[in-house]
Amino acid sequence: ETGVTQSPTHLIKTRGQQVTLRCSSQSGHNTVSWYQQALGQGPQFIFQYYREEENGRGNFPPRFSGLQFPNYSSELNVNALELDDSALYLCASSRLGDPNYGYTFGSGTRLTVV
Amino acid sequence: GDSVTQMEGPVTLSEEAFLTINCTYTATGYPSLFWYVQYPGEGLQLLLKATKADDKGSNKGFEATYRKETTSFHLEKGSVQVSDSAVYFCALSDRPIIGLTGGGSQGNLIFGKGTKLSVKP
Repeated sequence: ETGVTQSPTHLIKTRGQQVTLRCSSQSGHNTVSWYQQALGQGPQFIFQYYREEENGRGNFPPRFSGLQFPNYSSELNVNALELDDSALYLCASSRLGDPNYGYTFGSGTRLTVV
Repeated sequence: GDSVTQMEGPVTLSEEAFLTINCTYTATGYPSLFWYVQYPGEGLQLLLKATKADDKGSNKGFEATYRKETTSFHLEKGSVQVSDSAVYFCALSDRPIIGLTGGGSQGNLIFGKGTKLSVKP
C-alpha cells in the first residue's frame, strides 16, 4: 500500500509568480484535501476534491485553485504569490464512504516566497 | 464556527514522566476528534481518534477520551520516551461520518495550534 507522495519537497518563488504543487493519493483513496501550515501553527483547510470536483473550501481566496485527475492525484495552484503564502502545504487523501475513514497525510511541500 | 484550543507549549519532560496535553473544542454538531503527531521534517500521522461521546482512542501507549460534557479530548501517556518528542495536534472533523449506505462524509479537519513536546533522557 503506497502512501501519499507530494512534489516538490521544497521550492522558492518570487512574489507575484505562480506555483503548482502535486500530490499522489494513497492507493484506494478517492478524496484529496489540501492544507496550509504556517510556521508554528496548525494546518488550515484549503479545499477538498472528490470525483474531480471541489467538495468543500476553507477561507482562502480564489487565487488558490486545484484539480483532481481520474487517477485521484491532485494539484494545488497558487497565483500571484504573496509573502504570506510561505508555508508547508500538506496533501491528505481519504476514502469517502468508509466509516473507518482516516486521512493519510503526505510529508508536504515547503514553499518559500521571497 | 467550530474551533479547537490546545495547551500551548513547549512541554519539556524527563523520560518516563506522565504526559497530559489538554484539548478543548467548540462545535455545533457531533464532531469526530483526533490527535495527530508531526515529527521534525515530516507530515502528520494519525495517532488516535474517537467518533462519539465517551469513546476512548488509544495507540502506542497514548490515550484520549471524548468528553462531550466538558467538550474535551485530552491526550495522556503514562510514561513518555525520547522518541515521543514531536508536535502534537488536536483536531476535529466538522461533519460526522454518515456511514457506508449514506455515502459517508469526510469533513475537513480543524486543527489546534499544536503542542511541541520535548522528552529528555
